[in-house]
Amino acid sequence: QQQVKQSPQSLIVQKGGISIINCAYENTAFDYFPWYQQFPGKGPALLIAIRPDVSEKKEGRFTISFNKSAKQFSLHIMDSQPGDSATYFCAASSGNAGGTSYGKLTFGQGTILTVHP
Amino acid sequence: DSGVTQTPKHLITATGQRVTLRCSPRSGDLSVYWYQQSLDQGLQFLIQYYNGEERAKGNILERFSAQQFPDLHSELNLSSLELGDSALYFCASSVEGGLQPQHFGDGTRLSIL
Repeated sequence: QQQVKQSPQSLIVQKGGISIINCAYENTAFDYFPWYQQFPGKGPALLIAIRPDVSEKKEGRFTISFNKSAKQFSLHIMDSQPGDSATYFCAASSGNAGGTSYGKLTFGQGTILTVHP
Repeated sequence: DSGVTQTPKHLITATGQRVTLRCSPRSGDLSVYWYQQSLDQGLQFLIQYYNGEERAKGNILERFSAQQFPDLHSELNLSSLELGDSALYFCASSVEGGLQPQHFGDGTRLSIL
């Protein structure tokens, strides 16, 4: 019920290509879906987040697509750059203060993205 | 720089020992979260505090405990350490709880020998 499944585990793209990472969740109480980027030796850094009342959110080269009926969401990185090479995590949490998921982030297993020059 | 400070960056100790990890949240943030990152379990939520009060608990072992002090810094205490406790421990903070963005520190790497 609390799981968030992320795929692929690793991804290699060429510079300028599109990177796509997918996540699926089970808990219908989740209503906040952030993506984090993590470089080696650093903590996860918030990239972009979406609420289920919208189907897409774009910030610069990063876009989240959200499909509430399928309980899936994805991160698209347009014009991928070598500097985007990092580990990406999707996550989910609930804003229901009475629920067990309130505030805490449930993370996917991560995707290691490598962008070749 | 997220504004969340964690100390120490690295900690090496032996089985059976006790350690304390410290976290200073971003200025103005009232909520602190602790997460554990390991190769086999990924990023797992441990515990959350809000303005000094425990708000939520995750898969935190009984050997682990935490608290948040009046100045809002938090400490995670790990005791009777086992080899399997070797991991990265992250602290995150947010303005409040719920759906507020969480900002992570750079973690404490704990190695148990």
